[in-house]
This record gives sequence, structure tokens and C-alpha cells, in this order.
Amino acid sequence: NAGVTQTPKFQVLKTGQSMTLQCAQDMNHNSMYWYRQDPGMGLRLIYYSASEGTTDKGEVPNGYNVSRLNKREFSLRLESAAPSQTSVYFCASRPGTSGPIQETQYFGPGTRLLVL
Amino acid sequence: GIQVEQSPPDLILQEGANSTLRCNFSDSVNNLQWFHQNPWGQLINLFYIPSGTKQNGRLSATTVATERYSLLYISSSQTTDSGVYFCAVERPNDYKLSFGAGTTVTVRA
Repeated sequence: NAGVTQTPKFQVLKTGQSMTLQCAQDMNHNSMYWYRQDPGMGLRLIYYSASEGTTDKGEVPNGYNVSRLNKREFSLRLESAAPSQTSVYFCASRPGTSGPIQETQYFGPGTRLLVL
Repeated sequence: GIQVEQSPPDLILQEGANSTLRCNFSDSVNNLQWFHQNPWGQLINLFYIPSGTKQNGRLSATTVATERYSLLYISSSQTTDSGVYFCAVERPNDYKLSFGAGTTVTVRA
């Protein structure tokens, strides 16, 4: 049981390049999330998926797209990377779907992205 | 959106000392979690505690939902307790966690 896995661990991009961050969980969770963490700040939600086939915007969605490929996988795509997207990206999952279900979130190890 | 404020922003402790971290939030919540981010960046859930008190070893947490705050207690601190502690909350029917800016704890041997 690997939990939540993310690839790659590190990435350097040039401005304007595109890339996809991959996330997978093996806990049969319904909900998955993408966050970014900038120095001195907490985590900010980019996008989330409450169940397979659905995605919704979070607090800072501009410049990103997501795909909930299946129940296990949730990818984050940067179409045209900008220096402002330099950050650490975390994927998370939790068992429930939408509604008043209060449950623990489990986080992946993070992806460090540098955009030059 | 909901505001989450953590205090203090930084805390330096001598090994063996006790400390209290605070999390204030601006609206009613039905989910509150405390996380520890270790120096290697890994985020670990410590407590799911929308109300009441829980204990796990040297750590304990109390949430007073009616007064909109939560406290995390670290007793007999160890160097492995170093890192950033985050509080995160979720409003009813929101289904999204909002994080505070964190408290950076440094425990010195």
C-alpha cells in the first residue's frame, strides 16, 4: 500500500514549456486534490475532484488544468509555465465524496517545480 | 472565504519543553485537522478534531468549535518535533480544506 504517489519529484522548466504532474492513490479514495505551497504560506487549493468524472476549481486555478483519468489517478497540467508557478505541488486524497463527510486527507510527497 | 490564523508564526524550544500552538478560524466548521510538515516536506496528519479533545502520545489537541479556535499541545518536545504545523478547516457543505500559514517549530537539543 503506497498511499499517494507523485511524479516527478523535481522538475525544471523554461517559461512557456508545458508539463503534466502525475498523482495516483491506491486507497480506493473517491476525492482527490491538488495544492500548491509557496514559501512562508500554507497550502492553497488549485483543483479538486470529488469523484471520478468530476473536477472543480479551487482557490488558485488560473494557468492549470486537471484530468481525473480514473478513480486512482488525478493529473495536473501546466500548458504554458510561468515563473509565478514555481512552487511545491502536493496531491492529496480522502475517502469521501461531496456532502457532510468529514475525513482525513492523505498527502503525497510533493513535486518541486522551478520555472525559469 | 474562511480565514484561518495560526499563532505564533515561529517557535523555538529547548528539548523537553512544552508548548501550545493556536488556530483561530472565522466561520463555523465541520472539519478541522492538524498537520505536521517535517523538514523534508512530508505532510502528516496529526489529528482530525472538529470538536473536543484528542491525545496521541506527547501530542494533544482541543477544539472549541463554539468559540472558533483549536489548540495543539506539544509536551516534552523532541528534535523530531521540528517542522511546520498547519491547521486546516472546512466549512459545512464546502468540501474544501482551507489552510493557515503555519507555525514553524524548531526544537534545539
